[in-house]
Amino acid sequence: KNQVEQSPQSLIILEGKNCTLQCNYTVSPFSNLRWYKQDTGRGPVSLTIMTFSENTKSNGRYTATLDADTKQSSLHITASQLSDSASYICVVSDRGSTLGRLYFGRGTQLTVWP
Amino acid sequence: EADIYQTPRYLVIGTGKKITLECSQTMGHDKMYWYQQDPGMELHLIHYSYGVNSTEKGDLSSESTVSRIRTEHFPLTLESARPSHTSQYLCASSEAHPGQGGYGYTFGSGTRLTVV
Repeated sequence: KNQVEQSPQSLIILEGKNCTLQCNYTVSPFSNLRWYKQDTGRGPVSLTIMTFSENTKSNGRYTATLDADTKQSSLHITASQLSDSASYICVVSDRGSTLGRLYFGRGTQLTVWP
Repeated sequence: EADIYQTPRYLVIGTGKKITLECSQTMGHDKMYWYQQDPGMELHLIHYSYGVNSTEKGDLSSESTVSRIRTEHFPLTLESARPSHTSQYLCASSEAHPGQGGYGYTFGSGTRLTVV
């Protein structure tokens, strides 16, 4: 069964600190993995997207890694800011059939305190 | 800045009413999607379209219906709203299919629907 599991479920850190969010997946055959940031009551906003051949991708203070062999990904946030408080969602796409589909994790709820 | 728009942002409506949630995109994407999301839960695909006059049901059974008469417009309709329909509804569009790289998969800001 294709699944995407994220940990931790929630995380509280102090402003200025770094943190790492984890994503494990069983989706096969793998096509790409995306990280989204979703503010409360808003739609998800794309942070990074990685294909099989990419093992790291950065977007400002956000750095995503991918290990396609172990089917794990992480999102590292550097020097956190209050505005980083949001849910971070890992989304994996397969390339089954001819079109592929997206598999969503439940997200990690990050809270940054001053 | 996302070029996909959903209206209304919030809607509180009584049981039995007919509602239409609007979704429009200006990116010229052929592929559009509707997702349902409850608090703290993952997104579930309820409808998708790969072009004009093409609509399909998603993974999660939904009593809603959709139409795709114009490329840029993908409205979702509930003929008779019930409290069980209370949820957040997210519209998305993409340039390519998810398994083909799927760059440009963009979400709208969502509609928070409450049926009382």
